[in-house]
Amino acid sequence: GEDVEQSLFLSVREGDSSVINCTYTDSSSTYLYWYKQEPGAGLQLLTYIFSNMDMKQDQRLTVLLNKKDKHLSLRIADTQTGDSAIYFCAELADRGSTLGRLYFGRGTQLTVWP
Amino acid sequence: GAGVSQSPSNKVTEKGKDVELRCDPISGHTALYWYRQRLGQGLEFLIYFQGNSAPDKSGLPSDRFSAERTGESVSTLTIQRTQQEDSAVYLCASSLQYNEQFFGPGTRLTVL
Repeated sequence: GEDVEQSLFLSVREGDSSVINCTYTDSSSTYLYWYKQEPGAGLQLLTYIFSNMDMKQDQRLTVLLNKKDKHLSLRIADTQTGDSAIYFCAELADRGSTLGRLYFGRGTQLTVWP
Repeated sequence: GAGVSQSPSNKVTEKGKDVELRCDPISGHTALYWYRQRLGQGLEFLIYFQGNSAPDKSGLPSDRFSAERTGESVSTLTIQRTQQEDSAVYLCASSLQYNEQFFGPGTRLTVL
């Protein structure tokens, strides 16, 4: 199956930018996602990018996609303590018998220090 | 309701017992997914429903796991003869368009 890799931990100071990186294996994936999980909560869809895009910006969030290197990143500008959470990268299986499956990385624990 | 709901939020059971986990998707969402999240891991796909049928059951880890969906709405995931390795958070998601899945809060299952 698809393999999604991301670093496990990131610590930043409040007000700095955070960059969370992810690599994936399925070059045919048409959608790639970032989900946020706060302690004891389910997953919140933060943003997603279609594969024909290089960049998507949504307020403090910027997603960059490098299809050649199969690399996805999430940049959070002006990081706040409320951004502390686990961030999951995921790619969508969008063909064949696995259509609709999301393949997730293990998650990056973002800690924001005041 | 406005989002996906799951019940119970927590379930503690003894090894060998059967458990049922329930998911109420967002109204009108035709697709429903079950995932499992073990401690410190990403989510692992279990099963997908389109309407009431399950075209993809290949993620179910053993024949002790089964799921059904009725009325294109509620789904139940059943685990028979639970084992300690079944301890995890079980997450349900629903979608109208297959590319946008919305997750419930999960059921934390602990098998003693």
